Amino acid sequence: KQEVTQIPAALSVPEGENLVLNCSFTDSAIYNLQWFRQDPGKGLTSLLLIQSSQREQTSGRLNASLDKSSGRSTLYIAASQPGDSATYLCAVKGYQAGTALIFGKGTTLSVSS
Amino acid sequence: DGGITQSPKYLFRKEGQNVTLSCEQNLNHDAMYWYRQDPGQGLRLIYYSQIVNDFQKGDIAEGYSVSREKKESFPLTVTSAQKNPTAFYLCASSISGWDGYTFGSGTRLTVV
Repeated sequence: KQEVTQIPAALSVPEGENLVLNCSFTDSAIYNLQWFRQDPGKGLTSLLLIQSSQREQTSGRLNASLDKSSGRSTLYIAASQPGDSATYLCAVKGYQAGTALIFGKGTTLSVSS
Repeated sequence: DGGITQSPKYLFRKEGQNVTLSCEQNLNHDAMYWYRQDPGQGLRLIYYSQIVNDFQKGDIAEGYSVSREKKESFPLTVTSAQKNPTAFYLCASSISGWDGYTFGSGTRLTVV
């Protein structure tokens, strides 16, 4: 059964730092991988979607990479800002029809000014 | 603007009551999902539906029921059989189930 792990569970950095959030999954046969952001008490906002054939996706200061063979994805945030403070969730979709996204527990990021 | 609307934002349930959480989307997506989120845990799948009039159990379906009579709507009923319903409930949709997911803003259910 697919398992998704995110390390670290929490991260505190000063404003301006570049940082990397990690996501690992046990079954490399994934169809796509999606990164989300969640603010306290809110729903999930999609940040980036990476298809299994892609190696990375970029959106503004965010860059997500995917290495299926090693079962890993990273979310790189450049020049962090206090507004980036949130929980970041990684989720994978398998190839089996009728399966849904499987989520990690998230990394809670705090950026101090 | 297209999106997913969940209502109510907050819901309180007395012991032994059934309550229904609403989820409506105007994205013309075929697939819809219900997840439950507890503190310190990842999202867990309750039910999902890939087409109208069809739905499947997820990992934690016991004590919950759903219907999918319209493409736009996927209500979740939390029955009295669900012994620990206090949680944050999130609804999501996807074009076909193979694409990215869009989430609603969630409903926080509390047992009083």
